[in-house]
Amino acid sequence: EAGVVQSPRYKIIEKKQPVAFWCNPISGHNTLYWYRQNLGQGPELLIRYENEEAVDDSQLPKDRFSAERLKGVDSTLKIQPAELGDSAVYLCASSLEGRSTDTQYFGPGTRLTVL
Amino acid sequence: KQEVTQIPAALSVPEGENLVLNCSFTDSAIYNLQWFRQDPGKGLTSLLLIQSSQREQTSGRLNASLDKSSGRSTLYIAASQPGDSATYLCAVSNDYKLSFGAGTTVTVRA
Repeated sequence: EAGVVQSPRYKIIEKKQPVAFWCNPISGHNTLYWYRQNLGQGPELLIRYENEEAVDDSQLPKDRFSAERLKGVDSTLKIQPAELGDSAVYLCASSLEGRSTDTQYFGPGTRLTVL
Repeated sequence: KQEVTQIPAALSVPEGENLVLNCSFTDSAIYNLQWFRQDPGKGLTSLLLIQSSQREQTSGRLNASLDKSSGRSTLYIAASQPGDSATYLCAVSNDYKLSFGAGTTVTVRA
């Protein structure tokens, strides 16, 4: 069974440029999560989707970040414009139903460097 | 807000020694606690999940305990091997949200 797929794996951009990350969850998983992991810290949730609906985006900086999950399958996270402080690893995860007892499966992440 | 702390931040042991990793959390109203492994440049791999009603979980050389009332969990890795070198993160689940600690980076010396 294929795991969570993310692309690109690495991205280097100049500040003020836009950037987008793509995630394809495990087949059949209804819940999708985007996390940001700063160096030396644990991941922090940015947004959680149940199918197409963003059910928790309270930690998403909405002035520059946006996300979508069309058709309830793969998802895109966008930053526009990027700032130096956005340098981090962006992780996507999925779970079967989003219940608190469900295991979340993580992708390899996209390492973003903003110069 | 849930705060998760992992001590120590880094640990270096000779091969064969048992590992003890600690995790503490401030809000005991959790659904479950998970231990993850993260290799450099890789995503997170779930090692063990302990439901709030359970006291411990075991998988091979790994054993995790949970004391919800005191807000603590411990991950034991028996007879460590160089392949166990990685960062280990614990995460607690409150209302569908995972809160992570910063991790313990383990180095097992051959």
